[in-house]
Amino acid sequence: DAGITQSPRHKVTETGTPVTLRCHQTENHRYMYWYRQDPGHGLRLIHYSYGVKDTDKGEVSDGYSVSRSKTEDFLLTLESATSSQTSVYFCATKDLAGGVFDEQFFGPGTRLTVL
Amino acid sequence: AQKVTQAQTEISVVEKEDVTLDCVYETRDTTYYLFWYKQPPSGELVFLIRRNSFDEQNEISGRYSWNFQKSTSSFNFTITASQVVDSAVYFCALSGDNAGNMLTFGGGTRLMVKP
Repeated sequence: DAGITQSPRHKVTETGTPVTLRCHQTENHRYMYWYRQDPGHGLRLIHYSYGVKDTDKGEVSDGYSVSRSKTEDFLLTLESATSSQTSVYFCATKDLAGGVFDEQFFGPGTRLTVL
Repeated sequence: AQKVTQAQTEISVVEKEDVTLDCVYETRDTTYYLFWYKQPPSGELVFLIRRNSFDEQNEISGRYSWNFQKSTSSFNFTITASQVVDSAVYFCALSGDNAGNMLTFGGGTRLMVKP
């Protein structure tokens, strides 16, 4: 267990408002990821980070930005939330002890509803 | 581009039946890894197994077994003598030799084991 927490766990917001989700890890893992989970799509990668201040886009990055100022924290921001961003958001981390193909460990998820 | 397909969206079995969850993948990479994750009703994602593209040996762990066949690009998961606690959504995922070694997930298979 990688000691990953996400906050908030649930959030309801209105269209057009900014939203920031936080992922915090205590394992000093280098890689961190944000995914969204939607029915029929499994999990899709939004953004990932391969080190402090080093981030890159994933498959569904439009409308999202991220920041990583410390190893342990990875923030996901929806600049102006839309109803299509209603989803469950998962953070994941990866240690490289087993190599670049090491398994990812997932946080508990954040359920976001945009009205 | 890489793709993972789980054609079975839902499977329902009676306790003690054996059940196989199918996973078919597409990738152009020579080196890649395949994964299975379990998502019980509580919502967290639990890592089950990782298999590299050079190791086609089947793996057995208790009631779980995995069959990897490169010839058919499949990585199927079998649960023997299913139990109610096996009820969950199961995801197959692929990590190729790309930037970030990102995971591409299938859409998931919901397994319902009835008593």
